[in-house]
Amino acid sequence: DQQVKQNSPSLSVQEGRISILNCDYTNSMFDYFLWYKKYPAEGPTFLISISSIKDKNEDGRFTVFLNKSAKHLSLHIVPSQPGDSAVYFCAATDTGRRALTFGSGTRLQVQP
Amino acid sequence: DTAVSQTPKYLVTQMGNDKSIKCEQNLGHDTMYWYKQDSKKFLKIMFSYNNKELIINETVPNRFSPKSPDKAHLNLHINSLELGDSAVYFCASSQGANNSPLHFGNGTRLTVT
Repeated sequence: DQQVKQNSPSLSVQEGRISILNCDYTNSMFDYFLWYKKYPAEGPTFLISISSIKDKNEDGRFTVFLNKSAKHLSLHIVPSQPGDSAVYFCAATDTGRRALTFGSGTRLQVQP
Repeated sequence: DTAVSQTPKYLVTQMGNDKSIKCEQNLGHDTMYWYKQDSKKFLKIMFSYNNKELIINETVPNRFSPKSPDKAHLNLHINSLELGDSAVYFCASSQGANNSPLHFGNGTRLTVT
């Protein structure tokens, strides 16, 4: 059972525009959510996170939004840059488990 | 000075063999993990160790055995390799609070022929 779902396997945007990556989850126990970015032949690297007590967290060009009632979160990147081209993984956990449940990733391509 | 390093990067072997993947972290973290990225690209937790103690053991076949000689190392031994074991295996580490981000190694691509 896929408790974290990223339904869009790929996304292409123009440089300078906004990229919106979406993620849905089914486990109501999840209370902490993260986004990771992965380049080819490298491990995922942490990008940004959000606790379930918040509905928005911003870090520079990256903003994560959480809608608990819809069990949905999204990552906004603005403005998008070619260096943002990578696979983005959504992940979630419930406090105390110390293990992340990942989605299958969305490949973002930012066109110059 | 790689934070989380795993070796080898690539591993090609035949069915039935036994192999090991090594992982070391120099971040001073107290928790280490093994994740498997399957053909559908999902990253799934296999094991987690905290201060050398096993704290998470997902439904992984007994052929997989993690070994943590100290806080900085978590090795993965796989016996009697099967075709379905082909995947990319990622080691990771984290520190302290439950929600501290994971730091991943660059992965080991295992191919079983």
